[in-house]
Amino acid sequence: DAGVIQSPRHEVTEMGQEVTLRCKPISGHNSLFWYRQTMMRGLELLIYFNNNVPIDDSGMPEDRFSAKMPNASFSTLKIQPSEPRDSAVYFCASTPTGYGYTFGSGTRLTVV
Amino acid sequence: GENVEQHPSTLSVQEGDSAVIKCTYSDSASNYFPWYKQELGKGPQLIIDIRSNVGEKKDQRIAVTLNKTAKHFSLHITETQPEDSAVYFCAARRSNFGNEKLTFGTGTRLTIIP
Repeated sequence: DAGVIQSPRHEVTEMGQEVTLRCKPISGHNSLFWYRQTMMRGLELLIYFNNNVPIDDSGMPEDRFSAKMPNASFSTLKIQPSEPRDSAVYFCASTPTGYGYTFGSGTRLTVV
Repeated sequence: GENVEQHPSTLSVQEGDSAVIKCTYSDSASNYFPWYKQELGKGPQLIIDIRSNVGEKKDQRIAVTLNKTAKHFSLHITETQPEDSAVYFCAARRSNFGNEKLTFGTGTRLTIIP
């Protein structure tokens, strides 16, 4: 199994631009999570899906952030418009049971 | 909601010695406690976990202990090696059906001194 696959690995964009991060969970894992990691705030849960349905989006910072999971093998996290304070590493993780998350390698986002 | 505190934030240990990282949690309903290791440029990787029906679990050089009464759990690494250098995160989760979200501690940067 290739694990959780995230793309792109690095993204540099200008303030105000739209950014889309992508995630392919491990096949058979029915829960998917988006986390953001910064030095100041550590690992923050943004949103998670169970069986493609958003369960808890209380961590989404504001309306500029949106996430979708159109099917069991793909999810996106979109930021529109992006701001410099959105600069962080964004991780996607999946789990089949709620135990033992598997994380992807992350997307390092820099907004200039 | 759940709050997880982790100490220390940094730890330096001579190679071959033991390292201990401690976490406390606030939600008495939490019953699952994993530990993750994050190396530079990579995502966190699960190294060991414990559920609330056991007090201790070992896997070779690493062990985790849980004290539910005091609401704290610890990671123990024995005979440390240079490759143990990384950032370690503890996490906690309560048992509600359909709730799989983990709350993470703030991390401990462990440095093994050769």
